[in-house]
Amino acid sequence: DAGVTQSPTHLIKTRGQQVTLRCSPKSGHDTVSWYQQALGQGPQFIFQYYEEEERQRGNFPDRFSGHQFPNYSSELNVNALLLGDSALYLCASSLGTNDEQFFGPGTRLTVL
Amino acid sequence: QQQVKQSPQSLIVQKGGIPIINCAYENTAFDYFPWYQQFPGKGPALLIAIRPDVSEKKEGRFTISFNKSAKQFSLHIMDSQPGDSATYFCAASYTGFQKLVFGTGTRLLVSP
Repeated sequence: DAGVTQSPTHLIKTRGQQVTLRCSPKSGHDTVSWYQQALGQGPQFIFQYYEEEERQRGNFPDRFSGHQFPNYSSELNVNALLLGDSALYLCASSLGTNDEQFFGPGTRLTVL
Repeated sequence: QQQVKQSPQSLIVQKGGIPIINCAYENTAFDYFPWYQQFPGKGPALLIAIRPDVSEKKEGRFTISFNKSAKQFSLHIMDSQPGDSATYFCAASYTGFQKLVFGTGTRLLVSP
């Protein structure tokens, strides 16, 4: 049973660039949530996708956008990168409205 | 009102000891309270979760105690082992919305 997978593992970008992160949910799951985890902090909710639509959004600017594909995989896009965007980006999957969320290993983004 | 306050920030116990991590919340609409374990360089792993209709839940060596009137909940790790050394996060959400609000984390070290 494949768990949540994310790619790439690490990424280095410079300020002003754009980045795309990818996530494949756990087998059988249809809902994907994205979180940002700064060093030494708890994860912060960015947004959630269900049935290819954004269902909920946290307190993040419009520079953060996403997409969900028919196979339930998802992308997180961040435009005009800032130094403060450096963090571990986590994807979590769940089934429908089931509360249990399972996290992937994350993508470590460094903005120079 | 969306915050979940977690303490202590760090904790050192000897092997076999019972570390206790505490969390408090203000928003009484929260009704799902999971605990996650995170090792360095990995994503959070769901350990155990509780809802307000029960005061205690046990899964293996992990126990959650829940005090609805005080709006507090805690994680106890029985017979702790060096392999339990990790960062632990409490979280809260509303049923069906899956937008987890995380605490700031507790770094646990279990000495041999």
